[in-house]
Amino acid sequence: SQKIEQNSEALNIQEGKTATLTCNYTNYSPAYLQWYRQDPGRGPVFLLLIRENEKEKRKERLKVTFDTTLKQSLFHITASQPADSATYLCALPRNQGGKLIFGQGTELSVKP
Amino acid sequence: SQTIHQWPATLVQPVGSPLSLECTVEGTSNPNLYWYRQAAGRGLQLLFYSVGIGQISSEVPQNLSASRPQDRQFILSSKKLLLSDSGFYLCAWNSDRVYGYTFGSGTRLTVV
Repeated sequence: SQKIEQNSEALNIQEGKTATLTCNYTNYSPAYLQWYRQDPGRGPVFLLLIRENEKEKRKERLKVTFDTTLKQSLFHITASQPADSATYLCALPRNQGGKLIFGQGTELSVKP
Repeated sequence: SQTIHQWPATLVQPVGSPLSLECTVEGTSNPNLYWYRQAAGRGLQLLFYSVGIGQISSEVPQNLSASRPQDRQFILSSKKLLLSDSGFYLCAWNSDRVYGYTFGSGTRLTVV
């Protein structure tokens, strides 16, 4: 069955460092992958989409890589700030129908 | 610009009572609409999606149902709530041109 795995353990880093979050998937051949940010008690907010033919995508301090051979995406936040503290979700379209399936998310905590 | 409204924000309902959650989208036409549920500390589970008025696809067999009476209105219902229906319910939309999902602010449902 199709599976998405994100680190269930919270990631704690110091302000100014680069945060790296991992998303692994199995039994998928996604045409694209998306990353979302979710704050407590709020709905997820779309951050980035990367397509299967793109190795890397950047948006301000965010960088996403997509390795279809390893079946993995890495999400980087450079020069992290306490305001970046949140849960980050990766999402993939299902093989049939394209509806998004979400990983369980990784909680990021940036300490000042 | 497009906006999505979801209400109520919180709801406490007794077991066996009915449920109606409403979601409306503004600023776009013919959106794809989705209902997700998020249990505490868990990922998002797709419940229903709709690609047009009256077109509803169910993802998970359960005592919930969905309806789309108008192009930009999506309703989640239940005739008799169960304790296991407790969770954070999120409505979302996207389109064939906008792949990223825009989520509503969510409804925290507690069944007691």
